[in-house]
Amino acid sequence: DAGITQSPRHKVTETGTPVTLRCHQTENHRYMYWYRQDPGHGLRLIHYSYGVKDTDKGEVSDGYSVSRSKTEDFLLTLESATSSQTSVYFCATSGEETRSDTQYFGPGTRLTVL
Amino acid sequence: KNQVEQSPQSLIILEGKNCTLQCNYTVSPFSNLRWYKQDTGRGPVSLTIMTFSENTKSNGRYTATLDADTKQSSLHITASQLSDSASYICVVGGGYNKLIFGAGTRLAVHP
Repeated sequence: DAGITQSPRHKVTETGTPVTLRCHQTENHRYMYWYRQDPGHGLRLIHYSYGVKDTDKGEVSDGYSVSRSKTEDFLLTLESATSSQTSVYFCATSGEETRSDTQYFGPGTRLTVL
Repeated sequence: KNQVEQSPQSLIILEGKNCTLQCNYTVSPFSNLRWYKQDTGRGPVSLTIMTFSENTKSNGRYTATLDADTKQSSLHITASQLSDSASYICVVGGGYNKLIFGAGTRLAVHP
């Protein structure tokens, strides 16, 4: 998994509670990404970061926020979790942006919102 | 609309046999096409990446082809092994940090 860890690996929470997922990398990659993976769908980009404190929205960003205070850490926060956010969340990194570099994925976090 | 469609959705083959997975895409602009392997409970792992000018790329027993004119790609697996059981995801790179993922083909290799 190219030095990418995610925590927690599994989480069950209740609707309306805040949730924070953490991605940690040891590759010193500039770019970091958060995706969600749902049955029957391809991975969909939530947010990405192109440097410390530099982030941008992906295609499914509503209800999510991110922060990156250090190169190695990228946090995904669900401000008020909903059942539609039940999913598997993957963090990814790349040294360059995706037109010129491959992405390396973490092991994933399975989130269940009851 | 940018789309990546993969077929079949699932496939069962016997160990030692070959198989080919298909990917059709409508993505513009096009920058590259990737194939990833995703084992159950793990993150995707890159197998190949091809740019517009490349029409074939191999990684061991995996060979990917790209026809940019017809917007089709295939992933051929030779002499399958039990460890090839996984989902295979076709991903097309568009603009800046824009990747469009297919839903994947789930391959099961039986002894």
